Amino acid sequence: GAGVSQSPRYKVTKRGQDVALRCDPISGHVSLYWYRQALGQGPEFLTYFNYEAQQDKSGLPNDRFSAERPEGSISTLTIQRTEQRDSAMYRCASNPTGSSNQPQHFGDGTRLSIL
Amino acid sequence: AQRVTQPEKLLSVFKGAPVELKCNYSYSGSPELFWYVQYSRQRLQLLLRHISRESIKGFTADLNKGETSFHLKKPFAQEEDSAMYYCALSGQGDRDDKIIFGKGTRLHILP
Repeated sequence: GAGVSQSPRYKVTKRGQDVALRCDPISGHVSLYWYRQALGQGPEFLTYFNYEAQQDKSGLPNDRFSAERPEGSISTLTIQRTEQRDSAMYRCASNPTGSSNQPQHFGDGTRLSIL
Repeated sequence: AQRVTQPEKLLSVFKGAPVELKCNYSYSGSPELFWYVQYSRQRLQLLLRHISRESIKGFTADLNKGETSFHLKKPFAQEEDSAMYYCALSGQGDRDDKIIFGKGTRLHILP
């Protein structure tokens, strides 16, 4: 595709429900990053993958959050038993190499609202 | 610990006036510094990176290791520069490094 694609663009759900956010990176890009951005804050690192391998998940706030990229392309960020504090913009980015010092290509993000 | 500080949440500048968006960082190794921009209704995108030493849309940024700063500058502001600007840091080629973003500065160009 032309760029990083994220779906859904908006997600509203009740507290306690599970949600799955999808990211389709630019074809051929090695690295895929997930960020969370609260209102008035910058993107906060959650986790990243090189190919299908999860390299760093130190930014995931707790064990309700998980991510996978089973075939080294599309990735899913899953939040179980959602809480109101999970409400944020979730951003995905990819870059063509496996190196974090390369520019990131961002998607439009998924705005998650937990009622 | 890695940290990026953007002291100004909002910066209002008249059209034609110089712009300086401040960014200070804390990093123990050799950092790679970036500026990302988000225009209204567009996605976050790279503006420039220090290693390229480019001028993009009239903006430049110089890495000052002594002051641990990477301020973004433009001599004459244009209305289309109004946007949200984020300074970001990563290690140089270290595969274990994550990318740290500042909280961002909203630049508002006044007519």
